[in-house]
Amino acid sequence: DAGITQSPRYKITETGRQVTLMCHQTWSHSYMFWYRQDLGHGLRLIYYSAAADITDKGEVPDGYVVSRSKTENFPLTLESATRSQTSVYFCASSLDTNTGELFFGEGSRLTVL
Amino acid sequence: KQEVTQIPAALSVPEGENLVLNCSFTDSAIYNLQWFRQDPGKGLTSLLLIQSSQREQTSGRLNASLDKSSGRSTLYIAASQPGDSATYLCAATNTGNQFYFGTGTSLTVIP
Repeated sequence: DAGITQSPRYKITETGRQVTLMCHQTWSHSYMFWYRQDLGHGLRLIYYSAAADITDKGEVPDGYVVSRSKTENFPLTLESATRSQTSVYFCASSLDTNTGELFFGEGSRLTVL
Repeated sequence: KQEVTQIPAALSVPEGENLVLNCSFTDSAIYNLQWFRQDPGKGLTSLLLIQSSQREQTSGRLNASLDKSSGRSTLYIAASQPGDSATYLCAATNTGNQFYFGTGTSLTVIP
């Protein structure tokens, strides 16, 4: 049972470059989420998706793009990376936000130089 | 918007002590309350999920309670061990398909 996997685990890039963080889950969960975690801010929701082809903004969506063409995948793209986007990014999934547990991937640590 | 608070931000206890971690939320109309553990450099691991109709959940040495009317949840850890050292986060869900997280309590259990 692979669960939820993120790739890459570590990424260093330069300002202005496009970066895509991948997230794949094997549970067929309807809901998927992207969070960023920074010291002093805790976990902040970037985008979430309730189903394939349905996405919605979270608390801090600016500078990020998501897509969900398949239920199991939810990639996060930084179209033009900035230093302020240096962070640890977590993907998560849930069967049902009303009653279901939230499960997290191991995280992707992104450094923007 | 739901606001979730965890106090204290850090806690240090000697091994063997029983301890309580606190989680407060402002909107009592929650669907559920979930507790997580996060080790340094790792993702969040789900510990316990309490549905809104439940008062508590138990797993091994962990017991989580929920009091919606007072907007509080507690995580009780019995007979703490050094391996329990981690950051503990709680998250509440309301309408809107979102999970609202506290900023966590960093626990250190001293051998």
